[in-house]
Amino acid sequence: GNSVTQMEGPVTLSEEAFLTINCTYTATGYPSLFWYVQYPGEGLQLLLKATKADDKGSNKGFEATYRKETTSFHLEKGSVQVSDSAVYFCALSRYRGSTLGRLYFGRGTQLTVWP
Amino acid sequence: DGGITQSPKYLFRKEGQNVTLSCEQNLNHDAMYWYRQDPGQGLRLIYYSQIVNDFQKGDIAEGYSVSREKKESFPLTVTSAQKNPTAFYLCASLPVGLTTGELFFGEGSRLTVL
Repeated sequence: GNSVTQMEGPVTLSEEAFLTINCTYTATGYPSLFWYVQYPGEGLQLLLKATKADDKGSNKGFEATYRKETTSFHLEKGSVQVSDSAVYFCALSRYRGSTLGRLYFGRGTQLTVWP
Repeated sequence: DGGITQSPKYLFRKEGQNVTLSCEQNLNHDAMYWYRQDPGQGLRLIYYSQIVNDFQKGDIAEGYSVSREKKESFPLTVTSAQKNPTAFYLCASLPVGLTTGELFFGEGSRLTVL
């Protein structure tokens, strides 16, 4: 089946520290991969995405590379800020070009950044 | 501005009562989805609809019902049959022809059963 496993939190870092949140997936074929971010009390916002192997998604200093050989899509940021404190979700979609479009989510990783 | 509007943002209900959560979108998206979020469990799919007047059960449909009478609207009813309804509910939509499968989310509705 389709599933996503991501690093359990919470993750607590000091400002300007390096961030890695691990994400691995199980899927048939060639899924699209996503990282979503959720700030307290809000819905999910797309942070970045990658649609094929070796693609690198990037946004707001965050990066993730689609690694088919290791079935991974780890999220990284070189220098976190207090404003990055949020819950991060890794997700995959098996249905490109189709309105079926359901996403399979990991459990989320809570990140707290201290000044 | 285009987007997905969920209401109410917070809702309290007594046990045994049905409650309906509203989801409206003005993005002209065909497909709409309801997810439930519980702490430490990620998001689980309740129902989804690809076109008007048609919808399918997701992974945890028991105790929930939906309708899709208009393209813009996909309300979710949490019935008294749902054993543990306290959760954060998220509505999402998907545009026609999008090739990457990303969903667009509303701000969520938090339901608390007293």
